[in-house]
Amino acid sequence: QVLLQESGPGLVKPSQTLSLSCTVSGASITSGSYYWSWIRQPAGKGLEWVGRIYTGGDTDYNPSLKSRVTISVETAKNHFSLSLASVTAADTAVYYCAREAPYLRWHATDFWGQGTLVTVSS
Amino acid sequence: DIQMTQSPSSLSASVGDRVSIPCRASQSISTHLNWYQQKPGNAPKLLIYAASSLQSGVPARFSGSGSGTDFTLTISSLQPEDFATYYCQQTYTTPRTFGPGTKVDI
Repeated sequence: QVLLQESGPGLVKPSQTLSLSCTVSGASITSGSYYWSWIRQPAGKGLEWVGRIYTGGDTDYNPSLKSRVTISVETAKNHFSLSLASVTAADTAVYYCAREAPYLRWHATDFWGQGTLVTVSS
Repeated sequence: DIQMTQSPSSLSASVGDRVSIPCRASQSISTHLNWYQQKPGNAPKLLIYAASSLQSGVPARFSGSGSGTDFTLTISSLQPEDFATYYCQQTYTTPRTFGPGTKVDI
């Protein structure tokens, strides 16, 4: 069983940088053909894919956020992180970390963290 | 980006009903389509991957069909625990994109 747990500040001021970590247990984030992802959901709205990092270190980001987002891995702690710069109220959301796994030639997000609410407000 | 649409945004049903939830992609995605269930306050849960493959542990009353641009999630006999919001997601390319969701309520 793979468990993911988000952590980080619940309140960030406008124009500052949002920083979250995701601790993974039950799997090594440097092994296997997995992508470690961030997905967010504003209150009462749908899901928005933020980006992902491969076990090999390659990253993909949503073009709508690309200039502001960085996803990185800290292998010693078996966790990966999200950094989102120059935040505004539109970045207020529940942020989920998750694992995207290969199913033969398909992919699906099979394990999710519980989510953490980040509010952007002064 | 590939746009995913789901209509209706909500539907009402009763326990025991057969429910079909459609999803459409803005371009062909073959069978690179997943379905997730989300209940209030919870993370999404993977139900179906590759358009029609049932995720381990998911009840057999859930099924998926379709390819190309048109897909359907079917619940053969709705149970009380199935009242939730259902999202489709394409994994044909990045950025991954989700449909806006269909809420199934009583």
